[in-house]
Amino acid sequence: ETGVTQTPRHLVMGMTNKKSLKCEQHLGHNAMYWYKQSAKKPLELMFVYNFKEQTENNSVPSRFSPECPNSSHLFLHLHTLQPEDSALYLCASSQRGAGGLNEQFFGPGTRLTVL
Amino acid sequence: AQSVSQHNHHVILSEAASLELGCNYSYGGTVNLFWYVQYPGQHLQLLLKYFSGDPLVKGIKGFEAEFIKSKFSFNLRKPSVQWSDTAEYFCAVSGGYQKVTFGTGTKLQVIP
Repeated sequence: ETGVTQTPRHLVMGMTNKKSLKCEQHLGHNAMYWYKQSAKKPLELMFVYNFKEQTENNSVPSRFSPECPNSSHLFLHLHTLQPEDSALYLCASSQRGAGGLNEQFFGPGTRLTVL
Repeated sequence: AQSVSQHNHHVILSEAASLELGCNYSYGGTVNLFWYVQYPGQHLQLLLKYFSGDPLVKGIKGFEAEFIKSKFSFNLRKPSVQWSDTAEYFCAVSGGYQKVTFGTGTKLQVIP
């Protein structure tokens, strides 16, 4: 248990559905991240939030829409996804300080399948 | 831009064998370096990290890594692996205040 929880753990959706992934961190961190993990590809950073402000959008298609209502919660809203979006979506948090990036704590991920 | 290269995609070892996983990065300035591990069915977790100081870093479960600046490398080592070390290992780099960039990962299979 890392202090980062994600729900749901598994999600199957059609291309016309709208769903949301939820992430919550109990570590008091000030930065949260969404990553996409696909087979045989590097872990892809999608979005970064510092103190609830989005600081990075790594050329992610608009069918993925993040939301960070406070520093403990992070959502990823999904709509009109494609089958190639099927992957493991990981949430992480860290404490960003003056010295730069500290280690990230990862949640268990949501296994998404788009039919 | 920073990048990370892990040369071995799949490594198979017998128990008690020594392990070395290669990691090379490209970035011109000061870097923070990480090794993460993902055991089957579990979340990614930090194995060890290098920020500054002694280039030989010791982590959990007997793992260590050596930062060789001249070679842009941060190889992971363990003198004697166990079956429980079967997992996927990811090298990651962060240059200055930049985002963390991960390698493609190396799957380690330890045969009893």
